[in-house]
Amino acid sequence: QVQLQESGPGLAKPSETLSLTCAVSGGSIGTYFWSWIRRPPGKGLEWIGYVYYTGSATYNPSLKSRVTISLDTSKNQFSLRLSSVTAADTAVYYCARDFSGAGGMDVWGQGTTVTVSS
Amino acid sequence: QSVLTQAPSASGTPGQRVTISCSGSSSNLGSNYVDWYQQLPGTAPKLLIYRNNQRPSGVPDRFSGSKSGTSASLAISGLRSEDEADYYCSTWDDSLSGSVVFGGGTKLTVL
Repeated sequence: QVQLQESGPGLAKPSETLSLTCAVSGGSIGTYFWSWIRRPPGKGLEWIGYVYYTGSATYNPSLKSRVTISLDTSKNQFSLRLSSVTAADTAVYYCARDFSGAGGMDVWGQGTTVTVSS
Repeated sequence: QSVLTQAPSASGTPGQRVTISCSGSSSNLGSNYVDWYQQLPGTAPKLLIYRNNQRPSGVPDRFSGSKSGTSASLAISGLRSEDEADYYCSTWDDSLSGSVVFGGGTKLTVL
């Protein structure tokens, strides 16, 4: 069965760019939407965006100016870049597979904590 | 401020039936399917219900979903202690260029 694993630095400095990667194992990229979601401490889930298997991406309008999600089919992985980070970007970041393109996320990574601090 | 509105907390006793509600608008719940996620403490969210009332393989039939107009509900019958978790509704919102939106989450406590 498909499994997802996030990786990347657990600490980012304010104004820098946060970069995370999600490795897909046990299956191929296929014809799915590959998503990033985050949960800030004490708050609920927030959808960041997704990339389709074609490479086309859709983002949360509130984050769109700072987010890039890309796909590397040769490595069976996808990535998140979030620029100009602030303390408000501190969160647990999850990658997930969306089978519908409208939010049906049926496979999730375990999550990785990113803290933004100087 | 979440696009979808959920009560922040709910509670019930073992064996009881509890309902968690989610309210939206014409641009989201009014025109799209709703999904529900369960997030146990310290774990990743898990898809509980998709397309309003469908259960993924392995989800007990104690969990059921429904949608009417711009509102949706998740019902849990035969409540068990292991159901204590955060529950989120989610859907697609057609406004702007479109995006997935979540409710603020409901923390369910089993008394």
